Amino acid sequence: AQSVTQLDSQVPVFEEAPVELRCNYSSSVSVYLFWYVQYPNQGLQLLLKYLSGSTLVKGINGFEAEFNKSQTSFHLRKPSVHISDTAEYFCAVTFAGGYNKLIFGAGTRLAVHP
Amino acid sequence: DTAVSQTPKYLVTQMGNDKSIKCEQNLGHDTMYWYKQDSKKFLKIMFSYNNKELIINETVPNRFSPKSPDKAHLNLHINSLELGDSAVYFCASSQGRGVTNEKLFFGSGTQLSVL
Repeated sequence: AQSVTQLDSQVPVFEEAPVELRCNYSSSVSVYLFWYVQYPNQGLQLLLKYLSGSTLVKGINGFEAEFNKSQTSFHLRKPSVHISDTAEYFCAVTFAGGYNKLIFGAGTRLAVHP
Repeated sequence: DTAVSQTPKYLVTQMGNDKSIKCEQNLGHDTMYWYKQDSKKFLKIMFSYNNKELIINETVPNRFSPKSPDKAHLNLHINSLELGDSAVYFCASSQGRGVTNEKLFFGSGTQLSVL
């Protein structure tokens, strides 16, 4: 079975500072990995995904993530955050043949302060 | 235009009642989903339909019944509501049923509170 652990429930950061949101997964088969963002009172939006190929994946809004198979991690990073990045971020995993049965982590609340 | 729309946005009801949440997508997608987000923010898939065929049916009480009258609509009916059903329910859609080329488009959620 697959599972996802987001190590930080909340990450406070000042505007223009870099940020890393951590995600670790567990799976006995090859996985596909995703980061979704949820702004207040909205549904989730896809930030980026890793399916195969280059382990460094770039997404929207200046975010990127690196797939590390040996550490079973898929951490999300941004070199300089904005107030508008304040949101809940979800890491998710699925596997080949799993259709879109995404398994989500518990989320990390990113709070960007001026 | 909202791509995936759910109604109602808020639903407050008493235990034991039967209620429905409606979802419509105007993206022309073939696949629709229901996810449940509990009070700890955990998101868990409940159901998925592809062209009106049920393809994912997770272990949920049979009080929950999805209905897809056409591929643009996926409604969720809940019988005999219980306190533990209180959550945010998200509808989503995607063009196909495979994850490699698809992304999910989510609605803005329905906050269900059972009193």
